[in-house]
Amino acid sequence: DAGVTQSPTHLIKTRGQQVTLRCSPKSGHDTVSWYQQALGQGPQFIFQYYEEEERQRGNFPDRFSGHQFPNYSSELNVNALLLGDSALYLCASGGRNYGYTFGSGTRLTVV
Amino acid sequence: AQTVTQSQPEMSVQEAETVTLSCTYDTSESDYYLFWYKQPPSRQMILVIRQEAYKQQNATENRFSVNFQKAAKSFSLKISDSQLGDAAMYFCAYNLGDFGNEKLTFGTGTRLTIIP
Repeated sequence: DAGVTQSPTHLIKTRGQQVTLRCSPKSGHDTVSWYQQALGQGPQFIFQYYEEEERQRGNFPDRFSGHQFPNYSSELNVNALLLGDSALYLCASGGRNYGYTFGSGTRLTVV
Repeated sequence: AQTVTQSQPEMSVQEAETVTLSCTYDTSESDYYLFWYKQPPSRQMILVIRQEAYKQQNATENRFSVNFQKAAKSFSLKISDSQLGDAAMYFCAYNLGDFGNEKLTFGTGTRLTIIP
């Protein structure tokens, strides 16, 4: 049973560009959450998608947007990249009743 | 706002010994969930243990157990018979138990080193 899969694993972008990260949830899970983990920090909640809609959002600017598809997979888009957006981006699926399942993340470097 | 504090940036333990990682949290709610996650160099967050606040019994998963003190807002993780594969960053996390709220609030982590 495949867990949460994320692509790509690594990405280098130039400041001002746009980036799209992808996530496929674990089989049977219909919610997807995105987190940003800066180096040496704990993950910070960006937003969660359920039934193709953003259900909850953390303290992130509108440059961060997302989408969920009918098959429950999700995309995270970041516009006008800043150097400070360099981080590990984690996707999680599932819920608190059984514990959230995380992917291995996408390492984004903005230069 | 809920906050999670892990006061030990780094811990080390001899292989086969027992170690306890500390976590405190701040909330005014009574219904919530607490988690410990392990993050090895592979970067994937792996669920170690989960506790529901309304359950007084401490959760246990094999060599991992918690000491949940609700009044003190403390949620420590005990690892018994430490193994080399336990070396990782450990994160404590909180989730408010209301419907539709699946946000996890994480602490800053504790790096655990296992000494052979």
